[in-house]
Amino acid sequence: AQTVTQSQPEMSVQEAETVTLSCTYDTSESDYYLFWYKQPPSRQMILVIRQEAYKQQNATENRFSVNFQKAAKSFSLKISDSQLGDAAMYFCAYRSPGGGTSYGKLTFGQGTILTVHP
Amino acid sequence: ETGVTQTPRHLVMGMTNKKSLKCEQHLGHNAMYWYKQSAKKPLELMFVYNFKEQTENNSVPSRFSPECPNSSHLFLHLHTLQPEDSALYLCASSRKGTGGTGYTFGSGTRLTVV
Repeated sequence: AQTVTQSQPEMSVQEAETVTLSCTYDTSESDYYLFWYKQPPSRQMILVIRQEAYKQQNATENRFSVNFQKAAKSFSLKISDSQLGDAAMYFCAYRSPGGGTSYGKLTFGQGTILTVHP
Repeated sequence: ETGVTQTPRHLVMGMTNKKSLKCEQHLGHNAMYWYKQSAKKPLELMFVYNFKEQTENNSVPSRFSPECPNSSHLFLHLHTLQPEDSALYLCASSRKGTGGTGYTFGSGTRLTVV
């Protein structure tokens, strides 16, 4: 079974600075997907960024980028130019590829609470 | 709004009550999920439905009873709950087989059992 570990229960950053959230995972699959979700106080789980395991290039979405190290099974999220609206709980998640009769199970880490100081 | 709607947003119920949580999506997704989110614990997958058929039940107590009448609607029927069942219950949906798209989540129902 796949497991996802986020070792930082809480992180903080100054507005406009950069912060990196860590995530490691364990799997025996060679093809899979990785995600970072954001959950603000509104409780809505919002997809921030995703990475296909077969792509070596790190995904980027505006101020959000990842450092994907497949051999090390590491998937960190970097938030540049942090904004007050970035304050939320961030979850790292792993998804099997699915296909056929498989729905592609999504497994989450424990989450990291990010505080942004003005 | 993401396209997955959950009602009610908040629910307070006694241990002898019977209530139901509702989830609805019109995204054309064919898999739906119930997750439980408790404080200081990872999200726990409770149930999975593919094309209305339950394909996973992660040892959830029988006081939680899911129902999926069609691919767009998912219910969680609750009865004789315990205080430790108080949590945020999240519904999600996805298109089976398209792993790269992730899941789409609702805003959850905050359940308090008194």
